[in-house]
Amino acid sequence: DGGITQSPKYLFRKEGQNVTLSCEQNLNHDAMYWYRQDPGQGLRLIYYSQIVNDFQKGDIAEGYSVSREKKESFPLTVTSAQKNPTAFYLCASKGTATNYGYTFGSGTRLTVV
Amino acid sequence: QKEVEQDPGPLSVPEGAIVSLNCTYSNSAFQYFMWYRQYSRKGPELLMYTYSSGNKEDGRFTAQVDKSSKYISLFIRDSQPSDSATYLCAMRFSGNTPLVFGKGTRLSVIA
Repeated sequence: DGGITQSPKYLFRKEGQNVTLSCEQNLNHDAMYWYRQDPGQGLRLIYYSQIVNDFQKGDIAEGYSVSREKKESFPLTVTSAQKNPTAFYLCASKGTATNYGYTFGSGTRLTVV
Repeated sequence: QKEVEQDPGPLSVPEGAIVSLNCTYSNSAFQYFMWYRQYSRKGPELLMYTYSSGNKEDGRFTAQVDKSSKYISLFIRDSQPSDSATYLCAMRFSGNTPLVFGKGTRLSVIA
């Protein structure tokens, strides 16, 4: 089945640590996105990529980094510079033939311990 | 002023009720309008989409866009307990631009 896979489902980070969230899709979609969701805040855009080897900052990119070396993969690194990383992280993709919506993964819940 | 405003609720209705969910927006350049449903601790799933103004119906769901008022709505008829979820409105400009989301409205349908 085609879809987006995010891993891990739950992730715990110690203070000062970098962690990487995985996002893989087999939908042959060109565009991929990372959103952060906090209670009562909706979804806020962190980074997005329209094509391999290219990406743009979203509204809340500080403290995060991404790479897009393969069409299928768009990993997100939460660095120690992100002061409040505890949140639910969602990855999404969109194909050029789909004019409207995104396909979302099932999310990764990151907690700082 | 936020680009997309959505009342977070929570909204609680009895089973069988008609539910009305709404969003307002400030930028008249938005062209594509969507509604997503998100169950607890899951990723959002696309429910309805509309291009520009007008209505769209799919089963018990109707999406309306009024661009003159910068207002979009989602109606759920004969609501069921399985409709209990958070509903997110989203919209974007023309071209390949990212979606902008509302904060989501949490809905509970009580049997």
